[in-house]
Amino acid sequence: KNEVEQSPQNLTAQEGEFITINCSYSVGISALHWLQQHPGGGIVSLFMLSSGKKKHGRLIATINIQEKHSSLHITASHPRDSAVYICAVPVQGAQKLVFGQGTRLTINP
Amino acid sequence: DTGVSQDPRHKITKRGQNVTFRCDPISEHNRLYWYRQTLGQGPEFLTYFQNEAQLEKSRLLSDRFSAERPKGSFSTLEIQRTEQGDSAMYLCASSYDGTGAIYFGEGSWLTVV
Repeated sequence: KNEVEQSPQNLTAQEGEFITINCSYSVGISALHWLQQHPGGGIVSLFMLSSGKKKHGRLIATINIQEKHSSLHITASHPRDSAVYICAVPVQGAQKLVFGQGTRLTINP
Repeated sequence: DTGVSQDPRHKITKRGQNVTFRCDPISEHNRLYWYRQTLGQGPEFLTYFQNEAQLEKSRLLSDRFSAERPKGSFSTLEIQRTEQGDSAMYLCASSYDGTGAIYFGEGSWLTVV
C-alpha cells in the first residue's frame, strides 16, 4: 500500500466548477505539502500545512490530522488551473518527501 | 533570487554515455534534494544534502549515479553508462532549516536513446 494516496487520479470539469482533490496518508506527519505541476514543467509549492485550513486566492487546503486526510479545493475553476496536483508528506526521521501519484486536472472552457 | 535553477533543461544522450546535471538552489538554503520522476508517476527521492554532506541516499541510486555538493551551494548529479531506464525528469529542490517550505526547480529531462 502506498503511503500517500490521492483521488481521483484524473478529473475533468467545466470552467467555473468547484474542484476537490483528496489525499490520504498512512504515516504520522508534521506537515503536508500540496504541489502543482504543469505539463513538462517543474513543481510549484502551493501549500504547506500542519493543521486546519489555508487559503490562497481561489485555492483552499484543509487537513485533518486525526483522520490523516487532506483536501485541496479550487473555487471558480479556470482552464489555467489545468495541471497535475500532487500531495506530499515528509517521512518521519528522514529528510525526504513521499509523493502521491498526482491528480491530473483538466478544466474545459 | 530567481529560485532553484537546473541545467540543462533537456538532454538526449545515447545509451552508455555519461550525463551530468547541475542544480543551483536558492541562496542560503542549506538543504538540497534530488528526485526522479517518470511519466505519469510522482517524484521519487534520490538523495539529500545538508550543506556539503550527503546524508541520505535512496536504494534507487545505483552505483552508476553519483551526486556532489562540494561547497554546500550548487550540486551535480552524474549518471554514468546511461541506460534507457534512466530516462526521466530529474528534479532538484532546496529548503532552509526550520521553515519546512521546499522549493523545486523546473527539472532536467533526460532521454536515453
